[in-house]
Amino acid sequence: GQNIDQPTEMTATEGAIVQINCTYQTSGFNGLFWYQQHAGEAPTFLSYNVLDGLEEKGRFSSFLSRSKGYSYLLLKELQMKDSASYLCAAVGDTGFQKLVFGTGTRLLVSP
Amino acid sequence: ETGVTQTPRHLVMGMTNKKSLKCEQHLGHNAMYWYKQSAKKPLELMFVYSLEERVENNSVPSRFSPECPNSSHLFLHLHTLQPEDSALYLCASSQGGRNSPLHFGNGTRLTVT
Repeated sequence: GQNIDQPTEMTATEGAIVQINCTYQTSGFNGLFWYQQHAGEAPTFLSYNVLDGLEEKGRFSSFLSRSKGYSYLLLKELQMKDSASYLCAAVGDTGFQKLVFGTGTRLLVSP
Repeated sequence: ETGVTQTPRHLVMGMTNKKSLKCEQHLGHNAMYWYKQSAKKPLELMFVYSLEERVENNSVPSRFSPECPNSSHLFLHLHTLQPEDSALYLCASSQGGRNSPLHFGNGTRLTVT
């Protein structure tokens, strides 16, 4: 079957670093997305990884290990505005729903 | 106006009502999607329109009926809904292709009474 696992909730302090993990099982694999969703708002695209390794975009980085079925999103120098849900989504290659989403990790950043 | 726009933002309807959700994208994308987002559940893909051709999802009840008159507009027609259909309905668009990121609208928060 197809499955995405990520923690339900995490807390961190302003200025700190936090790592949000995601493990996936899909029929075939064609990449992994991370999206950010603030409460009451649309999910917005953060990153896409298809090759192993780390992709860095400012304060946010995303890592992929295809052999382990594992990804993480790394957020540095946390700010209050980073409080949001972070959705992991893996691209399979079979079935109607090729893009399989996790339930999201709710991150709360405190002062 | 840019991006993906959904109306209405909030909708309360009875189980016997008929209503429609509207989505418009200004990004020049060629694929549009309806997703359902329920609390503590993954985003669930309901329908995909790619180049104005609908991709069927047999798991969605017939009380949900999509319509895509052109590549910029998408509707979701609702009739005789059930309370368990209460959720956030998100529209999205993309350039097409499974590796293209989705651009979401802010959603319609639907409550069925």
